[in-house]
Amino acid sequence: NAGVTQTPKFQVLKTGQSMTLQCAQDMNHEYMSWYRQDPGMGLRLIHYSVGAGITDQGEVPNGYNVSRSTTEDFPLRLLSAAPSQTSVYFCASSYSVGRSSYGYTFGSGTRLTVV
Amino acid sequence: RKEVEQDPGPFNVPEGATVAFNCTYSNSASQSFFWYRQDCRKEPKLLMSVYSSGNEDGRFTAQLNRASQYISLLIRDSKLSDSATYLCVVNPLSYNTDKLIFGTGTRLQVFP
Repeated sequence: NAGVTQTPKFQVLKTGQSMTLQCAQDMNHEYMSWYRQDPGMGLRLIHYSVGAGITDQGEVPNGYNVSRSTTEDFPLRLLSAAPSQTSVYFCASSYSVGRSSYGYTFGSGTRLTVV
Repeated sequence: RKEVEQDPGPFNVPEGATVAFNCTYSNSASQSFFWYRQDCRKEPKLLMSVYSSGNEDGRFTAQLNRASQYISLLIRDSKLSDSATYLCVVNPLSYNTDKLIFGTGTRLQVFP
């Protein structure tokens, strides 16, 4: 099993460009999410999905879109990149049973710089 | 008040020392608790879940105090390889058991 795979690992964008960060998991997890991590801010939730066809906003959704057409894939789209979106982006997946979560498995991250 | 709060550190300790981190959470209905470890420029990785009765994994012991709403992580006999940032993680929503909230992390530096 590959776990959670994120691509690309590094990206430099110009202000106003758009791009898609890819995330795929092969663990058949229903729940997937996108976080951004900035110095001193910790991990902040951008969007999440509880299953194929269902997405919802997290704490910092503005400027980002997501879709979940399959259980495996959860791409994150930057609509018009801004320098404030310079960050490290992590995709994560998880499953839970009843009221117990089993924690997240993270991808290795995408380091995005917007100039 | 933040949902999950941690002392950012850094904690600088010598090899062999015992070090403890605390974390507080605001939602008394929280159901699941974890400690994650994050190395510099790497993704967070699950270190251990935290159970109500407390649990131990080798040199690591996690405790949960529901009455005071805090979680602790104790590391005994610190190794150089323990140097990392430790993230306290809480699931605050009983109706969405996968939505986890992360603390900003406590940085540990173990020196020879």
